[in-house]
Amino acid sequence: DAKTTQPPSMDCAEGRAANLPCNHSTISGNEYVYWYRQIHSQGPQYIIHGLKNNETNEMASLIITEDRKSSTLILPHATLRDTAVYYCIVSIQGAQKLVFGQGTRLTINP
Amino acid sequence: NAGVTQTPKFRVLKTGQSMTLLCAQDMNHEYMYWYRQDPGMGLRLIHYSVGEGTTAKGEVPDGYNVSRLKKQNFLLGLESAAPSQTSVYFCASSFLPNQPQHFGDGTRLSIL
Repeated sequence: DAKTTQPPSMDCAEGRAANLPCNHSTISGNEYVYWYRQIHSQGPQYIIHGLKNNETNEMASLIITEDRKSSTLILPHATLRDTAVYYCIVSIQGAQKLVFGQGTRLTINP
Repeated sequence: NAGVTQTPKFRVLKTGQSMTLLCAQDMNHEYMYWYRQDPGMGLRLIHYSVGEGTTAKGEVPDGYNVSRLKKQNFLLGLESAAPSQTSVYFCASSFLPNQPQHFGDGTRLSIL
């Protein structure tokens, strides 16, 4: 599995868009990019995933660069409840496991 | 809609004691996983199962055993608990590999 690099922490004002970057320069052609988050001490929560194209769902948008070496998770209108640790994970199709790194601790400020 | 349920939520053990953590899912998922999370770290995979009756080792399997006798249940056993196994344990399940994993709320285990 490709290694990912994320900033250890970020801050964002409530109501603004939160943009979380992830570098995965060694990603292979068949590896997906996944985003999960962990609020306080709860179990991780799936957010979104993608292979090549940008993806959007009710929670967030995922922007993957054309060379696939980096991606950005966008929370369009951050709320206080979005304060969490966000994990960017790359995983080969058919892989049996997710490898969690340290993630980015996102703090949404009032 | 229960999703993934872990039992118990908290437990304190003495060194050398044994116990079993239970994970149950009601989504008819084939794949189930056990992770542990230590302070300030991401999750690490202990064991996983790709279907009823099958198990496989993950990243940190030593000191743990697992069983998947029923599709909906995945058990994690500690035969002789050690202080190094103090951690938060998360169970997850997914319908297929590479599909999103659904996680339980965790079991907080302390070994004294």
